[in-house]
Amino acid sequence: SQTIHQWPATLVQPVGSPLSLECTVEGTSNPNLYWYRQAAGRGLQLLFYSVGIGQISSEVPQNLSASRPQDRQFILSSKKLLLSDSGFYLCAWSPGQGVSPLHFGNGTRLTVT
Amino acid sequence: AQSVAQPEDQVNVAEGNPLTVKCTYSVSGNPYLFWYVQYPNRGLQFLLKYITGDNLVKGSYGFEAEFNKSQTSFHLKKPSALVSDSALYFCAVRDNGEGNTPLVFGKGTRLSVIA
Repeated sequence: SQTIHQWPATLVQPVGSPLSLECTVEGTSNPNLYWYRQAAGRGLQLLFYSVGIGQISSEVPQNLSASRPQDRQFILSSKKLLLSDSGFYLCAWSPGQGVSPLHFGNGTRLTVT
Repeated sequence: AQSVAQPEDQVNVAEGNPLTVKCTYSVSGNPYLFWYVQYPNRGLQFLLKYITGDNLVKGSYGFEAEFNKSQTSFHLKKPSALVSDSALYFCAVRDNGEGNTPLVFGKGTRLSVIA
């Protein structure tokens, strides 16, 4: 069966520090991968999605970037965090073909201080 | 463009009563519709989806949703609410003519079931 791993679960970082959040998927190949941010326990904002290695689509220009160095690995990064980067970051995957639901990781709670 | 609206920020219901969480959508073509549930500090869990066929879709944990094309709605329902159903619920949509474009999520509705 397929599983998605996202880490760390919580992170406290000072303003101006770098960020790296990692997400990996097991048990499938060529998945679509997504990064969402959820502010204040409410709506989801799509940040990036990828349909293949090295293919990244950015939905919202901001202080973050994403990379997909391997088929089942998706990394969210920042060179210098801002206070406004605080939030709950969710990684998700879906099969590359067909209409299937997204499967979410358990999220990373990021607090920028 | 595709969009989804959840008009209620909060829904309160007594345990044992039926519940409804509302969702309306807008797409150019035909919709693929989804409901997800989120418990505190967790990722979203898939509940059910409508792709085509029967307008009444049954999903996990006794939830169901009815697709209404004329009203462009996909309301989530459960005949008898449980306290454990208290959570944040998200509706999502994708236009079936849009290939691999990501789902668009509503802003969420917080359901509180009171014992």
